[in-house]
Amino acid sequence: DTEVTQTPKHLVMGMTNKKSLKCEQHMGHRAMYWYKQKAKKPPELMFVYSYEKLSINESVPSRFSPECPNSSLLNLHLHALQPEDSALYLCASSQEEGAREKLFFGSGTQLSVL
Amino acid sequence: QKEVEQDPGPLSVPEGAIVSLNCTYSNSAFQYFMWYRQYSRKGPELLMYTYSSGNKEDGRFTAQVDKSSKYISLFIRDSQPSDSATYLCAMSASGGKLTFGQGTILTVHP
Repeated sequence: DTEVTQTPKHLVMGMTNKKSLKCEQHMGHRAMYWYKQKAKKPPELMFVYSYEKLSINESVPSRFSPECPNSSLLNLHLHALQPEDSALYLCASSQEEGAREKLFFGSGTQLSVL
Repeated sequence: QKEVEQDPGPLSVPEGAIVSLNCTYSNSAFQYFMWYRQYSRKGPELLMYTYSSGNKEDGRFTAQVDKSSKYISLFIRDSQPSDSATYLCAMSASGGKLTFGQGTILTVHP
């Protein structure tokens, strides 16, 4: 199993809603990542978890709250988002945080904030 | 100046053509060089991975790294319509953050 599975695939939410994005991998990888990708732009790193601990937060606004319940799961909790937060949110994993050159990405959640 | 420069295209070629995609970079600490393919509304898929300089071939794909010129290339032989996608170069220093190029949009028409 070389897949990173993300749910939901699409999400529309209002600015006052609370929602969560989910990510799962069963490759035994110990590093997991959240990226944000706007149209026609490369992915931008948001958070890195290494061995279930938050390793990197790229100065992301607090309306995005990551959580790593166990080594296979990664969540991104969303609250009070803005329309400019509309984007493709990608989860990725790698063997170790130091092996970022071999990232496996999920298909992403296409988020629209109204 | 961006750390990684990649021509966004778009690039349109006929089926069967050889495609050349390129990136230049400025950070001499980069040692790992990757090419990702991204289909519309999907996540990036690792296509090729090269450590340091040299060539690597995988089927119709060849990746080249020239560290002296800070230049990397991806060649696609006998291009197919299914190769139509955005191709992202990415690179990192040892244990460092991935830095992506802007991506090149490729269309292979029958």
